[in-house]
Amino acid sequence: GENVEQHPSTLSVQEGDSAVIKCTYSDSASNYFPWYKQELGKRPQLIIDIRSNVGEKKDQRIAVTLNKTAKHFSLHITETQPEDSAVYFCAFNNAGNMLTFGGGTRLMVKP
Amino acid sequence: GAGVSQSPRYKVAKRGQDVALRCDPISGHVSLFWYQQALGQGPEFLTYFQNEAQLDKSGLPSDRFFAERPEGSVSTLKIQRTQQEDSAVYLCASSLGGRANQPQHFGDGTRLSIL
Repeated sequence: GENVEQHPSTLSVQEGDSAVIKCTYSDSASNYFPWYKQELGKRPQLIIDIRSNVGEKKDQRIAVTLNKTAKHFSLHITETQPEDSAVYFCAFNNAGNMLTFGGGTRLMVKP
Repeated sequence: GAGVSQSPRYKVAKRGQDVALRCDPISGHVSLFWYQQALGQGPEFLTYFQNEAQLDKSGLPSDRFFAERPEGSVSTLKIQRTQQEDSAVYLCASSLGGRANQPQHFGDGTRLSIL
């Protein structure tokens, strides 16, 4: 099956610092790369996505970069706040429309 | 409008019982997906519908798992003769069209516990 590696598995930062989470994938045909935020006991919430025709996308404090040649994409959160604490999942699409998810990164923002 | 709605939110069953989990997608969404999320892991694909047609069921772990979407809206995931390894959160997601690069919106899931 298709693989995705997500790093780091846990990330602790001080409030106001930046956080970066990276994913690598194996399917060269993938063209859609969403990021989800999941708080404990809640639904995965789409926070940003990028398609393969662009290299970077930004939405306020959140940005995603994509390197199709190297098959990796990254989530960048600037000026982190305690409410950013959650588990973040990267994902990419497969030929069958489904998403393959990474193993998740637990982000802890310390006030 | 309302988001994806799933019921029940929690389900406890004894090993060997059958269970049925319901998903009400966002109105007008063509595509519907079921995922299984084990504790501490990312969601894993189970099956996919485009309208009433089940186009991909490659992720269903065994023939005890069955899903349907008879009228192209509400979907039901049924698990027969449940086993302890079926304990997980079952997530439903829907997207507007039938293309692979469209956002999927998730429900809150059903947490299934098999005793």
